[in-house]
Amino acid sequence: GQSLEQPSEVTAVEGAIVQINCTYQTSGFYGLSWYQQHDGGAPTFLSYNALDGLEETGRFSSFLSRSDSYGYLLLQELQMKDSASYFCAVRDGTGRRALTFGSGTRLQVQP
Amino acid sequence: EAGVTQFPSHSVIEKGQTVTLRCDPISGHDNLYWYRRVMGKEIKFLLHFVKESKQDESGMPNNRFLAERTGGTYSTLKVQPAELEDSGVYFCASSPSGSTDTQYFGPGTRLTVL
Repeated sequence: GQSLEQPSEVTAVEGAIVQINCTYQTSGFYGLSWYQQHDGGAPTFLSYNALDGLEETGRFSSFLSRSDSYGYLLLQELQMKDSASYFCAVRDGTGRRALTFGSGTRLQVQP
Repeated sequence: EAGVTQFPSHSVIEKGQTVTLRCDPISGHDNLYWYRRVMGKEIKFLLHFVKESKQDESGMPNNRFLAERTGGTYSTLKVQPAELEDSGVYFCASSPSGSTDTQYFGPGTRLTVL
């Protein structure tokens, strides 16, 4: 089977930097994605890593280490609007397109 | 460009009744996916269409769930008869052919079975 582990909650203050970790166990591996979801809203794609290293998109960066089955999402210059749930998701190496999601990390940004 | 839309946004039904959820993917997206999130747990995959064909239905929980995508455009997910454990949020997502690493999600349908 496949499983992903990520912290359930993280709290940080405006302007700070926060890192949300994700470890995974899959049957093969194709890539790791990150999604943001505000309460009642649609999961929104943030980033994707297929190869080791750091991908940067504005204030958000994502890192992957395939050898460690580990990745993280880094959010910089936190803003109140970043308060949301963040999900890591993997696509396994079987050829299926389905994403397997972690249980989500609820980020609370405080003033 | 319009995003993925889902209808209805909320549905409250009684156990044993039938409910049909609809998803309109982003225009031109061949890939369409159904996921659901039950009781605050992780989002779980249900099935994947490529155009009108079911590519992967390994996540469908049982034969009370029937998904269709006639004509390769919008899709419906019917639950018949609904059970209490079917309550949750049902998400639809779509992606263009050739690149399925990014899936675009709809806002979901919140289903409550009483």
